[in-house]
Amino acid sequence: AQRVTQPEKLLSVFKGAPVELKCNYSYSGSPELFWYVQYSRQRLQLLLRHISRESIKGFTADLNKGETSFHLKKPFAQEEDSAMYYCALSGHSGGSNYKLTFGKGTLLTVNP
Amino acid sequence: GAVVSQHPSRVICKSGTSVKIECRSLDFQATTMFWYRQFPKQSLMLMATSNEGSKATYEQGVEKDKFLINHASLTLSTLTVTSAHPEDSSFYICSAVQGKETQYFGPGTRLLVL
Repeated sequence: AQRVTQPEKLLSVFKGAPVELKCNYSYSGSPELFWYVQYSRQRLQLLLRHISRESIKGFTADLNKGETSFHLKKPFAQEEDSAMYYCALSGHSGGSNYKLTFGKGTLLTVNP
Repeated sequence: GAVVSQHPSRVICKSGTSVKIECRSLDFQATTMFWYRQFPKQSLMLMATSNEGSKATYEQGVEKDKFLINHASLTLSTLTVTSAHPEDSSFYICSAVQGKETQYFGPGTRLLVL
């Protein structure tokens, strides 16, 4: 079974402060990890995926297989980063079903 | 970028009636579409996986006779909530993927059953 845990329901930081949104996963195989973001009144959209190893909007996330974590980090938070962030895992069981398992989400608020 | 639409965006219906929600990939062919349900302030729960031309695969605990899914073409999947009841009120979201690419999400449909 695959499971994604986001321990923080709410996270509040001040503008310019570093931010880290935690994500831990449980999966027996080789997972693919994603971070999705949902801004107020907008649809869910992909922020980044671990295989891309890229930085989007200043955010990065490193897959740590030893700790089974995929924490999302940004060194200097901006007010426009305020949103709901979901960590998700895709398990390739059988190779044909790339379904996503989502964590419960963390609501990030960046205060001025 | 890839765009996924849903129709309607919101619907109110009486208990016992059936409601159909459409999910369309506007600028790409979706080999697979997924249907999710999201309760207020909660995460997305996968309901079923829909592959074009074949029967949908439902997650454990999801009644396939209650939530009928049809994926008739590579750009359209429909979810029909049959004999809807108040407990079916929720936010229903679809996503579409082409091959092994990223899932693109629709804007969601808010269903309220009175």
